[in-house]
Amino acid sequence: DSGVTQTPKHLITATGQRVTLRCSPRSGDLSVYWYQQSLDQGLQFLIQYYNGEERAKGNILERFSAQQFPDLHSELNLSSLELGDSALYFCASSVAPGHPSGNTIYFGEGSWLTVV
Amino acid sequence: DQQVKQNSPSLSVQEGRISILNCDYTNSMFDYFLWYKKYPAEGPTFLISISSIKDKNEDGRFTVFLNKSAKHLSLHIVPSQPGDSAVYFCAANAGGTSYGKLTFGQGTILTVHP
Repeated sequence: DSGVTQTPKHLITATGQRVTLRCSPRSGDLSVYWYQQSLDQGLQFLIQYYNGEERAKGNILERFSAQQFPDLHSELNLSSLELGDSALYFCASSVAPGHPSGNTIYFGEGSWLTVV
Repeated sequence: DQQVKQNSPSLSVQEGRISILNCDYTNSMFDYFLWYKKYPAEGPTFLISISSIKDKNEDGRFTVFLNKSAKHLSLHIVPSQPGDSAVYFCAANAGGTSYGKLTFGQGTILTVHP
């Protein structure tokens, strides 16, 4: 158990819908990351938040957005869903940049999204 | 452009022997490297990491070697156990403003036979 909690574990929704994935980082971690794993793209970095602020952005679609709240939990919002958005979405967390352990990123179990 | 490559899709090893998983990278800005182990439909589990200022890091049965001039790293598992059977991902991090953005390889499926 990495200490990173994600909900829901599985989600099936229709095209055009909107879903929200939730993540609670490990206790004490200030950075939250979102990754997408699809069959054809592998594990891809989407976005990072640090202490409530967006820190880095990857290949995240404009239909997707994320935020980190004052209690440090994070949500990934996926809208106007397409079949190709079906994937495993991982949340990860780490302590902070500059900390000796800050470069180690711990992953949650993932939220499996199926768009039908 | 695949900046982190694991050229061996799979590796089969006998229990008790050494498993060597390889990873190559192209981006010279990468300064921190990690190995993760992953089972299907589960999150990647951190195994071991190495900073670019080192060339070796050990943790129990796991050792990672880094050859910066060749832009190559490897993970050695010895002795290999059947429970090590999983997908192993190499990941790299450039630090600085790119901190946290891990670039992953495609993974290598390790099978350890009893």
